[in-house]
Amino acid sequence: EPEVTQTPSHQVTQMGQEVILRCVPISNHLYFYWYRQILGQKVEFLVSFYNNEISEKSEIFDDQFSVERPDGSNFTLKIRSTKLEDSAMYFCASSERQGTTDTQYFGPGTRLTVL
Amino acid sequence: AQSVTQPDIHITVSEGASLELRCNYSYGATPYLFWYVQSPGQGLQLLLKYFSGDTLVQGIKGFEAEFKRSQSSFNLRKPSVHWSDAAEYFCAVGTRNAGNMLTFGGGTRLMVKP
Repeated sequence: EPEVTQTPSHQVTQMGQEVILRCVPISNHLYFYWYRQILGQKVEFLVSFYNNEISEKSEIFDDQFSVERPDGSNFTLKIRSTKLEDSAMYFCASSERQGTTDTQYFGPGTRLTVL
Repeated sequence: AQSVTQPDIHITVSEGASLELRCNYSYGATPYLFWYVQSPGQGLQLLLKYFSGDTLVQGIKGFEAEFKRSQSSFNLRKPSVHWSDAAEYFCAVGTRNAGNMLTFGGGTRLMVKP
């Protein structure tokens, strides 16, 4: 069964450094998402992406965040200057079609630790 | 704005016992509702979803959930729990807008006693 993959599984970085989290969505999917889960808190939506554009973003997704589909297979989340509070598990998801009737398939997550 | 509440942070049941995990939502329109499960070190796996029609939906691993509009609830049930069901369970509501954002509840951690 096709699945969403994410690399790395764990990333440790120093505060102020840039990080790029990588995701490979399911191959025929066209809609991509990032969510995050701070330890002990809810899973929170960050951004959705389609046709090389952001469809929607949350208040969390400020100017230090960006997303990109650099090629036909990868979908990345960049944090330009990490803060301690960016430490969280970041989940990538993808869906075949737009519309809330379609299922979002989640990757295993990248745990980001900012020191 | 939509929101989801899972009143039970932790639940412990004996293997073979029945299970019900509670989920209440707040959303101004007809909701799209989901249950996901997260095992340690794993991503979120979809158990079942409700979009329309029959309010009792069947999912994988023997789970089912019932949408009750009058109670704004979407509780997850399983008649007989297996030790492998120990995990964290998340209820989520989907929006109808272009962004397809999911709003999650805080999760319920299920522990299964032998």
